[in-house]
Amino acid sequence: GQNIDQPTEMTATEGAIVQINCTYQTSGFNGLFWYQQHAGEAPTFLSYNVLDGLEEKGRFSSFLSRSKGYSYLLLKELQMKDSASYLCAVVDSNYQLIWGAGTKLIIKP
Amino acid sequence: GAVVSQHPSWVICKSGTSVKIECRSLDFQATTMFWYRQFPKQSLMLMATSNEGSKATYEQGVEKDKFLINHASLTLSTLTVTSAHPEDSSFYICSATGTGGSETYNEQFFGPGTRLTVL
Repeated sequence: GQNIDQPTEMTATEGAIVQINCTYQTSGFNGLFWYQQHAGEAPTFLSYNVLDGLEEKGRFSSFLSRSKGYSYLLLKELQMKDSASYLCAVVDSNYQLIWGAGTKLIIKP
Repeated sequence: GAVVSQHPSWVICKSGTSVKIECRSLDFQATTMFWYRQFPKQSLMLMATSNEGSKATYEQGVEKDKFLINHASLTLSTLTVTSAHPEDSSFYICSATGTGGSETYNEQFFGPGTRLTVL
């Protein structure tokens, strides 16, 4: 079966750095997305990785290792507005998007 | 660019009534639209995929006679929840991709979602 694992909840302090991990076992791989979702809102796109390595975009970076079936989202200089759920999603061999359950990130002052 | 709208943003209805939710791509032509459902504290669950001018493809366990999807144009798809019941109360989200094709995957652009409450 297809499976995507991410921690259910994480807590971090304003101004700090947090890393949200995502591991996956899917039938094929055609890329991995990270989305941010605030409560009661639709997901918004953060990043897309299809090759190994680190993609940096402002305060957010995303890393992928295809051989390990592993990705992480790194958030720097945390702000209170970063409190949200972060969803990892993998595109499988049928170009279907497989969603993780999301990681709820709580930022404390 | 790549803006997707949904209407209504929230709706409350009585059990047994039907509710229609519209999903529009405002600044691009959406050849493929996706409908998701999300229950509280759970991830997105894909309900169906629709391509313009053809019948929707439903995920296993989703009743196609209950959740009617119409993708009549390149900018509009509708989801009708027929004979809604309290267990259908959920957050319904649509997304759209700009170009189709079996060789590539295109980013999905999400609508803001519709919160349905069935009394």
